[in-house]
Amino acid sequence: GAGVSQTPSNKVTEKGKYVELRCDPISGHTALYWYRQSLGQGPEFLIYFQGTGAADDSGLPNDRFFAVRPEGSVSTLKIQRTERGDSAVYLCASSLQSGGLADTQYFGPGTRLTVL
Amino acid sequence: AQKITQTQPGMFVQEKEAVTLDCTYDTSDPSYGLFWYKQPSSGEMIFLIYQGSYDQQNATEGRYSLNFQKARKSANLVISASQLGDSAMYFCAMNDGATNKLIFGTGTLLAVQP
Repeated sequence: GAGVSQTPSNKVTEKGKYVELRCDPISGHTALYWYRQSLGQGPEFLIYFQGTGAADDSGLPNDRFFAVRPEGSVSTLKIQRTERGDSAVYLCASSLQSGGLADTQYFGPGTRLTVL
Repeated sequence: AQKITQTQPGMFVQEKEAVTLDCTYDTSDPSYGLFWYKQPSSGEMIFLIYQGSYDQQNATEGRYSLNFQKARKSANLVISASQLGDSAMYFCAMNDGATNKLIFGTGTLLAVQP
């Protein structure tokens, strides 16, 4: 079946602008995660959804970052007043259900965000 | 806090040989899961193998096996019969069982030489 998809694949914006990054999880997966990967680093957790609600947003760096998942499927990560330090690859992952240790997360191809 | 350490920034291996990628972890939770992911130059994270903290046997998935040594808090990935297509970045990760978020190491870049 189809994997996790993310759009756009690349986004270039200017400092101070607003951006939206979209994630479409694997069909039937109730858990959805956002991570951010800076150059040369492993992914860092941002936020996790179980269904429509954000179950853990402890990884969001500040209040410029916000994510929604209104219908429990597609999620949008929103970044306001972008800064150059926001430049990174934003990865989305989904899993069948949250709570089990063996609940494997499957990742999308990522969105490369560049803030000029 | 949980932490994953990968001490090998880069590794070389000859095609058809086996290679071990090191991973140590730190956690105070008795329940946790350990994962390995492959990230080729295309950028997508590909799940390889999983080991649960209570699993008695080492996990295996095809050419991948996980050498789990709980007392030493290590979870090394062994790739047998390396192929050119195995050249990629490899990340070790663990979850905490509460929110299931993954904590990643800094990765090891593997280069398979013909």
